[in-house]
Amino acid sequence: GAVVSQHPSRVICKSGTSVKIECRSLDFQATTMFWYRQFPKKSLMLMATSNEGSKATYEQGVEKDKFLINHASLTLSTLTVTSAHPEDSSFYICSAVDSVSYNEQFFGPGTRLTVL
Amino acid sequence: DAKTTQPTSMDCAEGRAANLPCNHSTISGNEYVYWYRQIHSQGPQYIIHGLKNNETNEMASLIITEDRKSSTLILPHATLRDTAVYYCIVSHASGGSYIPTFGRGTSLIVHP
Repeated sequence: GAVVSQHPSRVICKSGTSVKIECRSLDFQATTMFWYRQFPKKSLMLMATSNEGSKATYEQGVEKDKFLINHASLTLSTLTVTSAHPEDSSFYICSAVDSVSYNEQFFGPGTRLTVL
Repeated sequence: DAKTTQPTSMDCAEGRAANLPCNHSTISGNEYVYWYRQIHSQGPQYIIHGLKNNETNEMASLIITEDRKSSTLILPHATLRDTAVYYCIVSHASGGSYIPTFGRGTSLIVHP
């Protein structure tokens, strides 16, 4: 199946700093990518929908100025957690929809963010 | 998107079939049923999807009732590596892509 990568897989940062997470579709083009957050023993929560070449659509309650999303190409979307706080510590997962086969969505391996 | 209801947890003996049920009584005609699973600390993995016909692939079988209000994911010969949280999602294509919403899923434990 198609492969989606995320980088970094783990990151530890200090409070107040910003962290960028990359999501790449390695062998297909993705006009749409999604960003999820998952707290321990909880389900995935959709944060935003990232569309190539346009502004991301954020879910209710997700601050767009805190979680900056850029989808500059058909294979790359980035999520930047700005001025990170300990409560932002979570597992961040991206997914990408194949532009050709809309019914299949492929998930990245996730990024574990720990804010000290 | 239609809501789904799944049992919180199930267990299964290794080598036996694991049958995971999902209720989606408010599913609409153009919504597909998708199944994903998530092994601890990894991203979700696509398993299978269907609209109204039963489907089978190398990983599992999906049985959808005739009224489409429920479905069952079948892992024919469960292994220890199938221990994971299984998510049943119903969704339709929206503007060229669908937006899956994850519920709590079913935590499947496969024991020796």
